[in-house]
Amino acid sequence: QVQLQQSGAELVKPGSSVKISCKASGYTFTSYDMHWIKQQPGNGLEWIGWIYPGNGNTKYNQKFNGKATLTADKSSSTAYMQLSSLTSEDSAVYFCAVGGFDYWGQGVMVTVSS
Amino acid sequence: DIVMTQGALPNPVPSGESASITCQSSKSLLYSDGKTYLNWYLQRPGQSPQLLIYWMSTRASGVSDRFSGSGSEKDFTLKISRVEAEDLGVYYCLQATHLPYTFGAGTKLELK
Repeated sequence: QVQLQQSGAELVKPGSSVKISCKASGYTFTSYDMHWIKQQPGNGLEWIGWIYPGNGNTKYNQKFNGKATLTADKSSSTAYMQLSSLTSEDSAVYFCAVGGFDYWGQGVMVTVSS
Repeated sequence: DIVMTQGALPNPVPSGESASITCQSSKSLLYSDGKTYLNWYLQRPGQSPQLLIYWMSTRASGVSDRFSGSGSEKDFTLKISRVEAEDLGVYYCLQATHLPYTFGAGTKLELK
């Protein structure tokens, strides 16, 4: 069955960067888009962008240009998202989701605090 | 960006009753391939969203037939028949027709 296993919670300092991962199993990793979604505490959901692991193509929500960088490692079936120049506004839970947003990871809580 | 406007529920909803959640798009979600890329999700407390309906009206695998989706190009409805305790949480619609993809703000279902 399809599973997306995300990395653990992160506590990071303002101005720094963080890289979170999403390890996929149960399907052909290179054949489906991997999406990333942001959810701030008590708030709704925002689409950050997608990566197609087959060729590394990416598409970003303009709002996250320069903030998020999506990559994928075919050898380990793992997708990554790096967030840079972190501020308190980046404190949120980040999800990965595959294909037509059918399956979601469990989410990673990123807390930005000094 | 496409704005997805979700309606509220007259909470709390009595167990066993039906509930309908609306979602209105600021633009038609009918894609050139003839599909309408409108999904519905349930996010239970502390969990990630679970897909209920895709392509506006197709029930996802393993989802109870108490859930049904309907709509037109801009107006959509998720109907929950015979509401049960396991249905409580926040329901979201998602449009994946136009970039950037956008979600509704969510509709909370509370049980009586």
